Amino acid sequence: GQQVMQIPQYQHVQEGEDFTTYCNSSTTLSNIQWYKQRPGGHPVFLIQLVKSGEVKKQKRLTFQFGEAKKNSSLHITATQTTDVGTYFCAGTGGGNKLTFGTGTQLKVEL
Amino acid sequence: GAGVSQTPSNKVTEKGKYVELRCDPISGHTALYWYRQSLGQGPEFLIYFQGTGAADDSGLPNDRFFAVRPEGSVSTLKIQRTERGDSAVYLCASSPRQASTDTQYFGPGTRLTVL
Repeated sequence: GQQVMQIPQYQHVQEGEDFTTYCNSSTTLSNIQWYKQRPGGHPVFLIQLVKSGEVKKQKRLTFQFGEAKKNSSLHITATQTTDVGTYFCAGTGGGNKLTFGTGTQLKVEL
Repeated sequence: GAGVSQTPSNKVTEKGKYVELRCDPISGHTALYWYRQSLGQGPEFLIYFQGTGAADDSGLPNDRFFAVRPEGSVSTLKIQRTERGDSAVYLCASSPRQASTDTQYFGPGTRLTVL
């Protein structure tokens, strides 16, 4: 079945440093979504990418969808303590079933 | 407006017991999804409904798990003969339609602990 892996599993950064998490699928995706989950919370939708090679920005966050639609990345510029949480990518292979990645836990230290 | 709500927020039960977990989706959302999230892992798809019918139940781990949505709104996830391995956070999500491009809005989850 479809598998979605993310690296790294954990990332500790100093506030102000940049952060990137990478998402790789074993199969081609029709779209990819990114979610953020704060400690003790539930996943909150951030963004969706649909087109091959698509790049979207939300303030300090930049999302990319690979040309082959099998990988994606999330880059945060100048991290803040409010960025703490686990970032998940999630993709569909054409149906409605979302397959979540393994997640990257981000910790930001002052 | 109100988001997705789930009850109870926490459920502790003994091995072998039966449990029911409830999900109230956002009003008007026709698609409803159940996921299970174990500690340190991403949510794992269980089942999704379009209206009253289960459109895809391929994620249910075995026949001890069953879900219903009789009136196309509230859904109940039922687990029979619970096992310790069923302990996890059960998340419900809803979306306006059935389109794969729809945003899924998650509820706070029910933390199930099987002793």
